[in-house]
Amino acid sequence: AQSVTQLGSHVSVSEGALVLLRCNYSSSVPPYLFWYVQYPNQGLQLLLKYTSAATLVKGINGFEAEFKKSETSFHLTKPSAHMSDAAEYFCAVSGVADKLIFGTGTRLQVFP
Amino acid sequence: GAGVSQSPSNKVTEKGKDVELRCDPISGHTALYWYRQSLGQGLEFLIYFQGNSAPDKSGLPSDRFSAERTGGSVSTLTIQRTQQEDSAVYLCASSLGLTGGASGELFFGEGSRLTVL
Repeated sequence: AQSVTQLGSHVSVSEGALVLLRCNYSSSVPPYLFWYVQYPNQGLQLLLKYTSAATLVKGINGFEAEFKKSETSFHLTKPSAHMSDAAEYFCAVSGVADKLIFGTGTRLQVFP
Repeated sequence: GAGVSQSPSNKVTEKGKDVELRCDPISGHTALYWYRQSLGQGLEFLIYFQGNSAPDKSGLPSDRFSAERTGGSVSTLTIQRTQQEDSAVYLCASSLGLTGGASGELFFGEGSRLTVL
């Protein structure tokens, strides 16, 4: 079985500051890991994914995440926050032939 | 259309009534998911259809909830005898490929917002 834990339901940063959204996973099989983003009043869309290739994964809008097996983590980062990054971010995990399980989400606020 | 289509977009019903929510996935997508999104609860997995395999119903919260997928395409989520705690946004998603979530990208519909009075 797989699960993810997102630490911090709300994160606030200033524009231009580092964004760090935390995700830890639990999986009995090699995991596939994802970050999805939900902008206000919009549907979810894929931000980036780890599928057992490079451990540092780059996504859209300058976001990236690093798979760390030893820490069972897949934290999402962006060097410099922009106002348009304000959204809810969901970490998700799946096995190779299994359903996708999401975390509870982290709402990112960006202050000018 | 090119995306996942859900209907109705909004549904208000009275406690005890049955409701049906419909999802039309992207043509050719073999996997279809239903999730429930409630405030503070994230995306709660409900049910997963993959090709012709038996669906994974492990997320359905009670026997009042059921779903079917006809002809490998359109899916209907049915909630019987609705309760106020069923109020949420019900999201449908589909994906291409035979490896479930590992295929990478789920394409989500806009959701059906259910309000039970």
